[in-house]
Amino acid sequence: DVKVTQSSRYLVKRTGEKVFLECVQDMDHENMFWYRQDPGLGLRLIYFSYDVKMKEKGDIPEGYSVSREKKERFSLILESASTNQTSMYLCASNAGSNEKLFFGSGTQLSVL
Amino acid sequence: SQKIEQNSEALNIQEGKTATLTCNYTNYSPAYLQWYRQDPGRGPVFLLLIRENEKEKRKERLKVTFDTTLKQSLFHITASQPADSATYLCALANNNAGNMLTFGGGTRLMVKP
Repeated sequence: DVKVTQSSRYLVKRTGEKVFLECVQDMDHENMFWYRQDPGLGLRLIYFSYDVKMKEKGDIPEGYSVSREKKERFSLILESASTNQTSMYLCASNAGSNEKLFFGSGTQLSVL
Repeated sequence: SQKIEQNSEALNIQEGKTATLTCNYTNYSPAYLQWYRQDPGRGPVFLLLIRENEKEKRKERLKVTFDTTLKQSLFHITASQPADSATYLCALANNNAGNMLTFGGGTRLMVKP
């Protein structure tokens, strides 16, 4: 079975901390994505990567950065966490443009 | 501005009936449209993809239609079951941005026994 694995299901961090969210896929997919999901706002794209070391901004990149050093791993970094970054974070991957997305189970991040 | 709209109110139906969910969009020229299912606390799971040149797509009890004139997709679940209770999301990407899938807010479906 294909898999997208997110390193944590729940995380609690303090304001100002640097936060790393890790995502690994085992499908040799070219594309990887980070979304956040908030009640009433739906899923919003933060960043995506179409190749190793390549990235593109999504709709809400402010306050976030990403890293893709290996094809299977895509990290989301909150340089200085703020309370408005409390959210469910979802990682996804796909094989190419117009292909279906495979999602991880999500990380519920609380910033206090 | 670009919008993808799904009914934010929950849809409650009786077991055995057909559920119909709507996805409307504005200021997009999508090459395709996708539907996903999401259960509480989980990531979305892909269900169906329909391309702009397809009017209808079926998979078991699921049917999706895509009307690019009306800028609307309808998602049907026939012979609905309580296990179909979940949130259903539509997603689309513009022709020139195939990787940038944008999601609607989702509609919660509750199927009562």
